[in-house]
Amino acid sequence: DIQLTQSPSFLSASVGDRVTITCRASQGISSYLAWYHQKPGKAPKLLIYAASTVQSGVPSRFSGSASGTEFTLTISSLQPEDFATYYCQQVNSYPLTFGGGTKVEIK
Amino acid sequence: EVQLVESGGGLVQPGGSLRLSCAASGFIFSDHYMDWVRQAPGKGLEWVGRIRNRANSYTTETAASVKGRFTISRDDSKNALYLQINGLKTEDTAVYYCARMFGSGYSDYWGQGTLVTVSS
Repeated sequence: DIQLTQSPSFLSASVGDRVTITCRASQGISSYLAWYHQKPGKAPKLLIYAASTVQSGVPSRFSGSASGTEFTLTISSLQPEDFATYYCQQVNSYPLTFGGGTKVEIK
Repeated sequence: EVQLVESGGGLVQPGGSLRLSCAASGFIFSDHYMDWVRQAPGKGLEWVGRIRNRANSYTTETAASVKGRFTISRDDSKNALYLQINGLKTEDTAVYYCARMFGSGYSDYWGQGTLVTVSS
């Protein structure tokens, strides 16, 4: 199985901050990676797919990039509604797997 | 508007069975692969399995942790997705989400989830 290691697992930031979350895959997954965020009691929401394509309706402050087996989600200017838990997911091969999550909290 | 609504969760004793349902609307259900994903209380997301569409013979993929106990099926005439869970264990306690697959395997729409609690 492909393991996805997210870092950090917890992040404290202020509104307006630039935030970066990393997801490292245990083997090559090409660009078959998605980013979701999830607020308490709610379903996950797709933000980024194919490593860097922003899902329709998602604000442009969200961006994704890839370098080998390392993937990055960047929020250029953190907004109040962005405080949530973020997950990466690989869809390169079965079983599909998720990273452990990064909780972004208000500083 | 795309909608996915799960139902069928509840409190079940260890060893019991349950069938979860996911009612889909607002899109051509029969065209899409569908996924089940679960989340134990306070934990992360865990992919459970996927069912392909008719064009791909409704074949399924299932996580090793549930293989042999969980069965995914669908009824395109009812726009419904199902998850049959047998031999329930306490570690199956989770919110179960259904999700629509698009593109190369991503989940673009999710239901609100249904809670399964396994306890004696």
